[in-house]
Amino acid sequence: GAVVSQHPSRVICKSGTSVKIECRSLDFQATTMFWYRQFPKKSLMLMATSNEGSKATYEQGVEKDKFLINHASLTLSTLTVTSAHPEDSSFYICSASGQGYYGYTFGSGTRLTVV
Amino acid sequence: GQQVMQIPQYQHVQEGEDFTTYCNSSTTLSNIQWYKQRPGGHPVFLIQLVKSGEVKKQKRLTFQFGEAKKNSSLHITATQTTDVGTYFCGGGAQKLVFGQGTRLTINP
Repeated sequence: GAVVSQHPSRVICKSGTSVKIECRSLDFQATTMFWYRQFPKKSLMLMATSNEGSKATYEQGVEKDKFLINHASLTLSTLTVTSAHPEDSSFYICSASGQGYYGYTFGSGTRLTVV
Repeated sequence: GQQVMQIPQYQHVQEGEDFTTYCNSSTTLSNIQWYKQRPGGHPVFLIQLVKSGEVKKQKRLTFQFGEAKKNSSLHITATQTTDVGTYFCGGGAQKLVFGQGTRLTINP
């Protein structure tokens, strides 16, 4: 089946630094990937749609300058949390849909802690 | 924008009891998808429903898509401890918007 690899799984960073999270589709090409944020025991909040070769589409209320998304190839999308603050601490998770597969395949998620 | 509401938010049952979660959308959906997220894990795709009135079964799980394609349900018969987790419904043509999820806990 479709596999999406997400790295790192956990990261702790200092306030004010930037963190990059990678999402790779391993056995299929993904022209579109999605980035979600999940607070403890809460739902998945769609942050943005990452489009290969073009700008990401951000959901209302999501700061595009803070959450930089780059979809450089058909198998890789990255989310960079810039100038991280403790309130950015959360579980970030990506997903993608591959042609011929049903539904969306999610990465294993990245737990970001900003101290 | 599109909103997907899911009830109940929490459900605690005795092992062996049935469980149902309901999903309602503010707009007509082209399809509805269901996911399960185990504690500490990531969402895993369960099923996709496309047709109005569609019913699909996966062993003890029954999924239903409403006639108007605005609501859906997931019913689990005779729950087992392995069913523990949060069940999310989601829909949308260009992007997947999730409901709040129903967290199922089970007393063995």
